[in-house]
Amino acid sequence: QLQLQESGPGLVKPSETLSLTCTVSGGSISSSGYYWGWIRQPPGKGLEWIGNIYYSGSAYYKPSLKSRVTISVDTSKNQFSLKVRSVTAADTAVYYCARHPTETVAVPAAIDYWGQGTLVTVSS
Amino acid sequence: QSALTQPASVSGSPGQSITISCTGTSSDIGNYNLVSWYQQHPGKAPKLMIYEDSKRPSGVSNRFSGSKSGNTASLTISGLQAEDEADYYCCSYARTSTLVFGGGTKLTVL
Repeated sequence: QLQLQESGPGLVKPSETLSLTCTVSGGSISSSGYYWGWIRQPPGKGLEWIGNIYYSGSAYYKPSLKSRVTISVDTSKNQFSLKVRSVTAADTAVYYCARHPTETVAVPAAIDYWGQGTLVTVSS
Repeated sequence: QSALTQPASVSGSPGQSITISCTGTSSDIGNYNLVSWYQQHPGKAPKLMIYEDSKRPSGVSNRFSGSKSGNTASLTISGLQAEDEADYYCCSYARTSTLVFGGGTKLTVL
C-alpha cells in the first residue's frame, strides 16, 4: 500500500524559507505514470494546488506562486521536496504531499494518494 | 487562474439526494474532461471520489456520481447517509499543466 509522509519544521519565521520533504513508501517515485505534488490548506479554508513534479525533474507550478516555489525530486531516497521562499503569515497552512496518476490520461489531473498533512506556521 | 466556484454549503436529509455544482471557465472545466471531486472529513486528508468528470475509483460507493455541462461540473450524492457529512472540493485541470480547486462546499446531513 502506497504511503506518503510529510516532514519538516512546523514553525518558520517570516521572510525565511519553508522546506518540506515527502517520503514515499510502498512504491517507487521513479515509476512512470505518476507525478508527485504539493497542496496546502490554510486553517479553516479551502485547498490550494501548489505544484507537481515528474521523476525526471519536469515541474509545474501555480502561476501566482511560481516565483517563490521550487519542487525537487530525489529518486535515490524516494523523496520529493518543497521550498517556499520569503514566507509570510499567509503561507501558514497544512501542507499535503500527494500523487497524481497519469495512467488513463497523459496529464496529472487528479490526486489519488495523499499524505496525512503537516501544519506549518509562519510566525516570529 | 481563479478558483472554481462552489456553493458554500448544501444540506439534505438521510435518504435524499443532493447536488453540488462547480463552475469554472473555458480555460479549465469547459476545455477538458478532467474534473475531480474530493471528500474531506475534519482533520483528515481529502479522498478522491470522482475523476475524469464521472469515473469512480475502486471502493467509492456508487451513490456518488459526477457529470458536466459546459463550464459547470456537478457531484450528486444519492441516498444520503450521516457519514457523507463532510467538505467537498472540485478540482479541474487547466491549461499549462496546472490544477485549480474550488472553494469547497460543506455538506450537512440533517
